[in-house]
Amino acid sequence: NAGVMQNPRHLVRRRGQEARLRCSPMKGHSHVYWYRQLPEEGLKFMVYLQKENIIDESGMPKERFSAEFPKEGPSILRIQQVVRGDSAAYFCASSRGQLTGELFFGEGSRLTVL
Amino acid sequence: SQQGEEDPQALSIQEGENATMNCSYKTSINNLQWYRQNSGRGLVHLILIRSNEREKHSGRLRVTLDTSKKSSSLLITASRAADTASYFCATDAEAAGNKLTFGGGTRVLVKP
Repeated sequence: NAGVMQNPRHLVRRRGQEARLRCSPMKGHSHVYWYRQLPEEGLKFMVYLQKENIIDESGMPKERFSAEFPKEGPSILRIQQVVRGDSAAYFCASSRGQLTGELFFGEGSRLTVL
Repeated sequence: SQQGEEDPQALSIQEGENATMNCSYKTSINNLQWYRQNSGRGLVHLILIRSNEREKHSGRLRVTLDTSKKSSSLLITASRAADTASYFCATDAEAAGNKLTFGGGTRVLVKP
């Protein structure tokens, strides 16, 4: 399957723990976007990365959230000291170039904070 | 507030009927895209319409774009139970920077 791969699909954390969500873009894609979705709502942009660079992090909370897309390996969205309000589905999407057309989405990682 | 706002928020129709949903946006766009999301799944791209296009077709889908009204519509003809999903519009606008901005979606239920 050459699609966007996200893992884990489901993650349960207690308040104060860390959550790490991983995303491998489609083959040949060097642009990765992270979105967050609350139940029954649309997707909210969080961060846009290229290999080794954060291009736009305007949608990401300044504290506790960080993202990276290293030269080798998947993109990681890291949430430190999780709170109940972080419970959501986190979607990763990739594209070949900067908004050259459609985005290809993964199946999402659903984070539940107890 | 959202760049794209879908209307209606929810739609229930019988199989075989047409489903129409609308999207309004606020700023000038480069293109507008429609995506579909089945429950618990990721988004799947349906169709992209550029700012200089007025109408586009793909199978049973028809998308229109009216840049003077800053609105778009998605029509699904001869709906099937398998069309049950949430449908989102997304805009690519220079004012929004390097990202697609999504609306809140229209939840469509097609009853067999």
